[in-house]
Amino acid sequence: AQTVTQSQPEMSVQEAETVTLSCTYDTSESNYYLFWYKQPPSRQMILVIRQEAYKQQNATENRFSVNFQKAAKSFSLKISDSQLGDTAMYFCAFDDQGAQKLVFGQGTRLTINP
Amino acid sequence: GAVVSQHPSWVICKSGTSVKIECRSLDFQATTMFWYRQFPKQSLMLMATSNEGSKATYEQGVEKDKFLINHASLTLSTLTVTSAHPEDSSFYICSASRQAAQPQHFGDGTRLSIL
Repeated sequence: AQTVTQSQPEMSVQEAETVTLSCTYDTSESNYYLFWYKQPPSRQMILVIRQEAYKQQNATENRFSVNFQKAAKSFSLKISDSQLGDTAMYFCAFDDQGAQKLVFGQGTRLTINP
Repeated sequence: GAVVSQHPSWVICKSGTSVKIECRSLDFQATTMFWYRQFPKQSLMLMATSNEGSKATYEQGVEKDKFLINHASLTLSTLTVTSAHPEDSSFYICSASRQAAQPQHFGDGTRLSIL
């Protein structure tokens, strides 16, 4: 079974700083998807970024980028120029392309301080 | 696009009653819908996967008779918590995807409190 591990339960940075959230996963599959979801206090799940495993190029969405290391099974999220609105729980998730089932990590609570 | 509506957002009911939660894809047809449960300060745990017109596939440890899932159309799935008890209190979230290999889009969740 696939597992996703987020080793940082909580992180806190100052506004405008850059922060990196870690995620590792375990799978025997070669084709899969990886995601970062944001869950603010409203508890809505918001897709931040998505990476296809067969793509070597790291995905980027404005201030959000990932460092995808397939061999190391690592998928970290970098948030540049952090903003107060980035305060939220961040979940890393794995999707087995065949089963289409999302497996979530434990989450990292990120606080952006003014 | 890709809006998923979940209703109700919050429900409080007495122990022993049944509660139905609706999940609707508003602007797309969802071949597959998913139901998750989230305990306070914890991650999302997949409960079941439902495909339109067929029986839901439940994850190990999820009681099929307790959590009834119906996916009658390409835009609607329902989760019914039968004979709810306080231990069923939780945050339930649905998601929907257009097809395999497409991202899941989440509803806003339902906070269920059983007294």
